[in-house]
Amino acid sequence: RKEVEQDPGPFNVPEGATVAFNCTYSNSASQSFFWYRQDCRKEPKLLMSVYSSGNEDGRFTAQLNRASQYISLLIRDSKLSDSATYLCVVIKAGTALIFGKGTTLSVSS
Amino acid sequence: EPEVTQTPSHQVTQMGQEVILRCVPISNHLYFYWYRQILGQKVEFLVSFYNNEISEKSEIFDDQFSVERPDGSNFTLKIRSTKLEDSAMYFCASSEASGGPAIYGYTFGSGTRLTVV
Repeated sequence: RKEVEQDPGPFNVPEGATVAFNCTYSNSASQSFFWYRQDCRKEPKLLMSVYSSGNEDGRFTAQLNRASQYISLLIRDSKLSDSATYLCVVIKAGTALIFGKGTTLSVSS
Repeated sequence: EPEVTQTPSHQVTQMGQEVILRCVPISNHLYFYWYRQILGQKVEFLVSFYNNEISEKSEIFDDQFSVERPDGSNFTLKIRSTKLEDSAMYFCASSEASGGPAIYGYTFGSGTRLTVV
């Protein structure tokens, strides 16, 4: 089983749509959770940390379910500029980031 | 906004040659990392460096690889005797010390695209 699994997509949505991405992780001892965004051939950029209580940053909402080892990202009112690959990332021990392969989002007008 | 700077942006090397990839982390960060991403694949952890020594490394980071912080600002990744399968984007990253990686994540550099021919 892969350490971090994501639906690769692509998700093709119109502007204004709401889209949700899911992620599962295999190691129950994982400590920290993040969503990163990666544009084509660019570096990953931190989108948001994910907390057990759930957290929101503008149009983005992240949820963590430790019992199910499941992380989600909800994007409301999608913009063209949201088109990117969204990477689910965990830290299981130490400080090394373990990346999923990413989910590709394409927002069209 | 502070940046992690990587040079060169693209390097082409012959198989069997040694390459050195360079990074300047954010000045007040104390954790430093190298990751790689083979085209079309996920980002993979190579090594972390803290307090002037390797703190963690992955199975990928074998004797072919080494890291160094030769002065107060640079952080380098050396790949000896490059192979075709070393072709990838190599990202340097840094993080703040006090709880930084687990709370704030990292800041990544824009990467060095290594092509081994």
